[in-house]
Amino acid sequence: DAGVTQSPTHLIKTRGQHVTLRCSPISGHKSVSWYQQVLGQGPQFIFQYYEKEERGRGNFPDRFSARQFPNYSSELNVNALLLGDSALYLCASRLTGGHREGNEQFFGPGTRLTVL
Amino acid sequence: AQSVTQLDSHVSVSEGTPVLLRCNYSSSYSPSLFWYVQHPNKGLQLLLKYTSAATLVKGINGFEAEFKKSETSFHLTKPSAHMSDAAEYFCVVRKVDDYKLSFGAGTTVTVRA
Repeated sequence: DAGVTQSPTHLIKTRGQHVTLRCSPISGHKSVSWYQQVLGQGPQFIFQYYEKEERGRGNFPDRFSARQFPNYSSELNVNALLLGDSALYLCASRLTGGHREGNEQFFGPGTRLTVL
Repeated sequence: AQSVTQLDSHVSVSEGTPVLLRCNYSSSYSPSLFWYVQHPNKGLQLLLKYTSAATLVKGINGFEAEFKKSETSFHLTKPSAHMSDAAEYFCVVRKVDDYKLSFGAGTTVTVRA
């Protein structure tokens, strides 16, 4: 079975540019979350989407946006890139948006973004 | 707000010896607690989770953790380290009725032959 997939695996951009990262959840999962992991730190929550609606947002500026498509895949967009946006961006999928037992998050391998 | 503190940024052990990774949590509510492992260039993998059932939780690859409410701790242990255990380990907390995971800063484990 395919797990969570993310593309691209690596990306290099320059300051001020825009970037789009993509995530495909596990088949049957309807919720996608995005996390940012800066080198040497733990992942930080950015967004959660469930049934194509934003259900939660972390403490990130409006330059960060996301959306979820009818097939439950998701895109994370970052505008006006800063050097500090360099990080590993992780996508995680869950069966639903609820909290019941067994509804754990499964993470993809991430996209490594480098901003020069 | 929920948060976790991983008390060691780096742990080095010899192969075959016990591993102890320490984690303290702060939560206003009964939390769910997790340990994830991250190998280089790999995604995060769930090792084990505590969700208010048994306080001693057994996970994959021989790892286990004990939830101690009085000490607000959730330390991860393994009796005998293997070379394949070399990785980054994250202690994670989630409020029971929430979806967002709050990660600790991580502990890097190296295993000496």
